[in-house]
Amino acid sequence: DVKVTQSSRYLVKRTGEKVFLECVQDMDHENMFWYRQDPGLGLRLIYFSYDVKMKEKGDIPEGYSVSREKKERFSLILESASTNQTSMYLCASRDRSNQPQHFGDGTRLSIL
Amino acid sequence: AQSVTQLGSHVSVSEGALVLLRCNYSSSVPPYLFWYVQYPNQGLQLLLKYTSAATLVKGINGFEAEFKKSETSFHLTKPSAHMSDAAEYFCAVSESGGYQKVTFGTGTKLQVIP
Repeated sequence: DVKVTQSSRYLVKRTGEKVFLECVQDMDHENMFWYRQDPGLGLRLIYFSYDVKMKEKGDIPEGYSVSREKKERFSLILESASTNQTSMYLCASRDRSNQPQHFGDGTRLSIL
Repeated sequence: AQSVTQLGSHVSVSEGALVLLRCNYSSSVPPYLFWYVQYPNQGLQLLLKYTSAATLVKGINGFEAEFKKSETSFHLTKPSAHMSDAAEYFCAVSESGGYQKVTFGTGTKLQVIP
């Protein structure tokens, strides 16, 4: 069974800090995704990666960057955290476009 | 650009009643469509998917969805609601070409009343 592991379930950081969220998948999937989930807004795509070292901006990339140096790991970076980045962050991986995504359990990030 | 619309952010049904959660999509290319369920404090789990085979798709936990191209719809149904169905449900569309981006709807919270 596919497993997507996010490094933290809960994280509290301060405004201005550089924050790293890590995601690891164990099924050799090509595609990986980062979403943020806010009440009433559903899942909004921040970035996705369709191969190692390849990335594409999603719908809300401002204030974020990503890194994919190895196929199994996709990192989301908040360059200078702000309070409006307090949210639930979900990582997902997928083999191909006609295949479903597999999600981690999420990281609930609070920026104080 | 593709988009997904889920009508009704909250739906309440009685236990044993029909569940109908609506999803309409727009896509410039033949889409792949998915329904996911999210229980509190968890990630999303796949309920079912449409990938251009049969238009009526059966999923887990007794759910099914019908792809209607003429209506650009992919509504989720279950004949008889169970208390354990209370959760949030998301419809998603994936492009079949290009970067294969996935777009989610805003979700529908299902409440099941005993």
